[in-house]
Amino acid sequence: LAKTTQPISMDSYEGQEVNITCSHNNIATNDYITWYQQFPSQGPRFIIQGYKTKVKNEVASLFIPADRKSSTLSLPRVSLSDTAVYYCLVGGDTGRRALTFGSGTRLQVQP
Amino acid sequence: GAVVSQHPSRVICKSGTSVKIECRSLDFQATTMFWYRQFPKKSLMLMATSNEGSKATYEQGVEKDKFLINHASLTLSTLTVTSAHPEDSSFYICSARAWRGGETQYFGPGTRLLVL
Repeated sequence: LAKTTQPISMDSYEGQEVNITCSHNNIATNDYITWYQQFPSQGPRFIIQGYKTKVKNEVASLFIPADRKSSTLSLPRVSLSDTAVYYCLVGGDTGRRALTFGSGTRLQVQP
Repeated sequence: GAVVSQHPSRVICKSGTSVKIECRSLDFQATTMFWYRQFPKKSLMLMATSNEGSKATYEQGVEKDKFLINHASLTLSTLTVTSAHPEDSSFYICSARAWRGGETQYFGPGTRLLVL
């Protein structure tokens, strides 16, 4: 399974754009890149998923370079409610492999 | 879409008793569900993979006789913590695979287990 590396923590202020980069050097051809958000005492919540280039939804954008060895989650204009742990995961091909969670990035948004 | 529920959300039990946690996919069918465990301020640790109609696959170090998993239907998997002890106190989270353009796991809200 592809291992991921993310910053342990990040700080930001309300209204700023936050970019969290994840390294996954051993990503396999069939692997997708998925980002989850987790609040304390809650299950992870799906944010966005991509395979290559750029993906955007109403919550975030995901940038994936051509070599796919990294990805960047972009959160536009964060608010206090975006304070959470963000996990980058790779995997989830058509097989039945589970996703392996790394340590995640703890984002703290200040007023 | 792709909603996963868990019941109960919180349970307190006495040491030595068994506790059953249910995981349901509400708006899709899931042939595979996963059970994770999470300690405070730590990441999720995969415990086992639950396959509908067959035996679960446990991760190394997880006692299959202690954590019984049953996946009897395409929308329900259960985790039973048998003869629970205080060290089993944790946050248990299930997930189910769904196809939404790419294969994605959707997670339940979690179950907080406290063994006294």
